[in-house]
Amino acid sequence: DTAVSQTPKYLVTQMGNDKSIKCEQNLGHDTMYWYKQDSKKFLKIMFSYNNKELIINETVPNRFSPKSPDKAHLNLHINSLELGDSAVYFCASSQDLYRGPDTIYFGEGSWLTVV
Amino acid sequence: AQTVTQSQPEMSVQEAETVTLSCTYDTSENNYYLFWYKQPPSRQMILVIRQEAYKQQNATENRFSVNFQKAAKSFSLKISDSQLGDTAMYFCAFMKRIQGAQKLVFGQGTRLTINP
Repeated sequence: DTAVSQTPKYLVTQMGNDKSIKCEQNLGHDTMYWYKQDSKKFLKIMFSYNNKELIINETVPNRFSPKSPDKAHLNLHINSLELGDSAVYFCASSQDLYRGPDTIYFGEGSWLTVV
Repeated sequence: AQTVTQSQPEMSVQEAETVTLSCTYDTSENNYYLFWYKQPPSRQMILVIRQEAYKQQNATENRFSVNFQKAAKSFSLKISDSQLGDTAMYFCAFMKRIQGAQKLVFGQGTRLTINP
């Protein structure tokens, strides 16, 4: 079974459209993340939720809105897509870590292409 | 703000050789964690090794080991007896804890090719 699963894996869409990427983890983790990897392979965090509460919200356009219906799911909705949104989006999860760092488990990525 | 720098965009070695990937970082924190992640062509992000800053002993995981120099803020990855399957992008990352979450700050990556 896949620990962190994302859908869709590939998405091609036109500028101006609204799209969502879904993420689910079956590891029982408390914290989930969205990372963006751009065309130069640079990875940067976008959001993090802990037990459905927004913890990290980096400088991301308002067109990006994460939603966490429960701690096993963290979806990413993007409004009015732009060419610069083309990237690979990674979902990840980790356990609540006051006792020390645990492994962050990444999904396989969702490759978004805006044309 | 923390920054992570990988100064080698690409490296290439022959199979079975040893290769070292460089990473430097900048932080004012005293307690933190450092990671190396591997990203093969499949795009999956795979944790290779991690190091706690409060530990002086360098972390090792089979053929992978690190040289952690805290004062110099250097965290290099050594791959011994390199294998074709080691071909991938390698990312160095600094971890900052924010409440119950971990924020990973990544370097630019090093593309490593192992040649037969």
